Amino acid sequence: DTAVSQTPKYLVTQMGNDKSIKCEQNLGHDTMYWYKQDSKKFLKIMFSYNNKELIINETVPNRFSPKSPDKAHLNLHINSLELGDSAVYFCASSYRTAGANVLTFGAGSRLTVL
Amino acid sequence: EDKVVQSPLSLVVHEGDTVTLNCSYEVTNFRSLLWYKQEKKAPTFLFMLTSSGIEKKSGRLSSILDKKELFSILNITATQTGDSAIYLCAYFGNEKLTFGTGTRLTIIP
Repeated sequence: DTAVSQTPKYLVTQMGNDKSIKCEQNLGHDTMYWYKQDSKKFLKIMFSYNNKELIINETVPNRFSPKSPDKAHLNLHINSLELGDSAVYFCASSYRTAGANVLTFGAGSRLTVL
Repeated sequence: EDKVVQSPLSLVVHEGDTVTLNCSYEVTNFRSLLWYKQEKKAPTFLFMLTSSGIEKKSGRLSSILDKKELFSILNITATQTGDSAIYLCAYFGNEKLTFGTGTRLTIIP
C-alpha cells in the first residue's frame, strides 16, 4: 500500500496551459504539504494544510492554488504555466503534534513546461 | 532569516570508507532536526533529533545533534554503493520542514 501517492508521475505541457496534480495519503496524518524541488535538488515548501485549513502559503505566485477537500487529499492546480514552473513537485504528510513531525513524501510529479 | 547549511556539497569516496556529513543551522523556532536520504525519487526518513548529545543509530548510519553549537552530523561507516544518494538535512520549526541544499554522496566500487 502506497502511503502518499501522487498523480500523475510525469506531466509535459505547453506554456500557458493549466494543469493539476493530485495527492492522497492513507497514513491518517492531519497535515499535508506541497514542496517544489528545482534542478539543483533544492526542496522548498510551497503550501501546507492542516485538516483542510491552509497553514502555510510561502510566497508562491497566485497561479498556484492548492485545494484540500479532506485531510487525506491535497491537490495542486497551476494556471498559465511558465517555463520556470518546470520542477519536481512533492506531496508530503505528517502529524502536527510536537515530536511527531516526520514528513512522509510521495514519489514526486515531474512537470516539464515547453 | 532561518537557514540550513550542509557541507560538503558533494563527496566521492571508495566503498568501505567512512564519511561524515555536516549540517549547521540558524533558526528562530527550532523543534527538531531531521535527516533524509534521496535516491531517484522521494526523500526517505533516516533520523529525527531533538536532544543534544544523544546519538541515533541505525545499522551503519548514526547521527548526533549539538544544540549549543547548532549543528548535526551524519556518519556512515563501511560505505556501500547503495549509500550513493543525496543526503538532506532539515529542521522542523514554524510548522514546516526547511531543507538544506543537500550533500551528494557517490560511492565508487
